[in-house]
Amino acid sequence: SQQGEEDPQALSIQEGENATMNCSYKTSINNLQWYRQNSGRGLVHLILIRSNEREKHSGRLRVTLDTSKKSSSLLITASRAADTASYFCATEINNDMRFGAGTRLTVKP
Amino acid sequence: GAVVSQHPSWVICKSGTSVKIECRSLDFQATTMFWYRQFPKQSLMLMATSNEGSKATYEQGVEKDKFLINHASLTLSTLTVTSAHPEDSSFYICSASSSPGRTLEKLFFGSGTQLSVL
Repeated sequence: SQQGEEDPQALSIQEGENATMNCSYKTSINNLQWYRQNSGRGLVHLILIRSNEREKHSGRLRVTLDTSKKSSSLLITASRAADTASYFCATEINNDMRFGAGTRLTVKP
Repeated sequence: GAVVSQHPSWVICKSGTSVKIECRSLDFQATTMFWYRQFPKQSLMLMATSNEGSKATYEQGVEKDKFLINHASLTLSTLTVTSAHPEDSSFYICSASSSPGRTLEKLFFGSGTQLSVL
């Protein structure tokens, strides 16, 4: 069963704009991860944030985690057409990882 | 980074036949492998978790006699869809973890298999 829920379900922006995706979950977690999936392909790990961390950066990616609200956000800055993909959050607890429904991001050139 | 190879990428089969999908970790030993099913524009639905040398743990609602999983070595897991029917048509993805212990820190995914049952 799914744990996380992302919003929005779909997001369309212009190249150069920032994209923000949110993920909410229901139970306590060890860590939360974000993955990217190009259409018809497998998922690629983007970034992991542990339950005792509040923010992490990796290149143009910024992830925040608020355990009190059980939510996380993924920010992609200065988006590019190549960022077009689906983005999933995944929550992990005791070797059990569950994926959210995903946000489909379209970046228009 | 670690590579997981999944074959075939796509398969078309007749109703009633069985299809085997392979998932290999190419440059690391996968203590645990996962099999997912994904419908168009939807999330990944975990089907089963397999640990090398032991029986797979299936999620509720997944028929273990229908979806046979074998994890015979630390680098190979297979999913066999037995007596496939059109409703089994879907995108199947495997993933592997190399991290022992209680926490999954990163999963490496295969490229997926699109199964179409006629």
